[in-house]
Amino acid sequence: IVLTQSPATLSLSPGDRATLSCRASQSVTSRYLAWYQQRPGQAPRLVIYTASNRAPGIPDRFSGSGSGTDFTLTISRLEPEDFAVYYCQQYGSSPPWTFGQGTKVEV
Amino acid sequence: EVQLVQSGAEVKKPGDSLRISCQASGYTFSTYWIAWVRQMPGQGPEWMGIIYPGDSDTTYSPSFKGQVTISADESTNTAYLQWSSLKASDTAIYYCARLPGYHYHMDVWGQGTKVTVSS
Repeated sequence: IVLTQSPATLSLSPGDRATLSCRASQSVTSRYLAWYQQRPGQAPRLVIYTASNRAPGIPDRFSGSGSGTDFTLTISRLEPEDFAVYYCQQYGSSPPWTFGQGTKVEV
Repeated sequence: EVQLVQSGAEVKKPGDSLRISCQASGYTFSTYWIAWVRQMPGQGPEWMGIIYPGDSDTTYSPSFKGQVTISADESTNTAYLQWSSLKASDTAIYYCARLPGYHYHMDVWGQGTKVTVSS
């Protein structure tokens, strides 16, 4: 399954709302889609799993939605620490469990 | 605290062999899957394969099958990723990550091991 993220770059300011899209080439089984945040020089960190479940410790300004082939990560009000690259990943098909190419959220 | 601690950065020559490690702590190692993920410079992550340390059941991405070997040692709570003959194109950061089950997300990540292959 190929995941296409858009936009590639999102230029916003602190306090803005961010809407990131992830489109799959085939339907993602059981909404098995995750979102990860990666800050420069750091490992990815799980943000959302099974399309809409926040990982432990993730603030409630992060929310995920979608099903089938279209998924969205929304950050309701950007904080300075939210500026990073976000990747979606599907794990519903037979392996390999692919990643999108990422969306960079920048100031 | 659940942690995955990876081995340090490596600089190797083409044709060299290499094994990098990922040591788990804070949970029962044998009951969670471990994945390996490659991230080439300036690129997104790529899923390489997974292993279940309890029985060493392993699945590889077709892109990496035959190029690397994934293994695990329950006695030391450590997973491994190894190459028998490195290429320059293997230059990347390699992450291990834990999965709570087979069709699951990666909930805990190691800090990454940078591998540089250059003549």
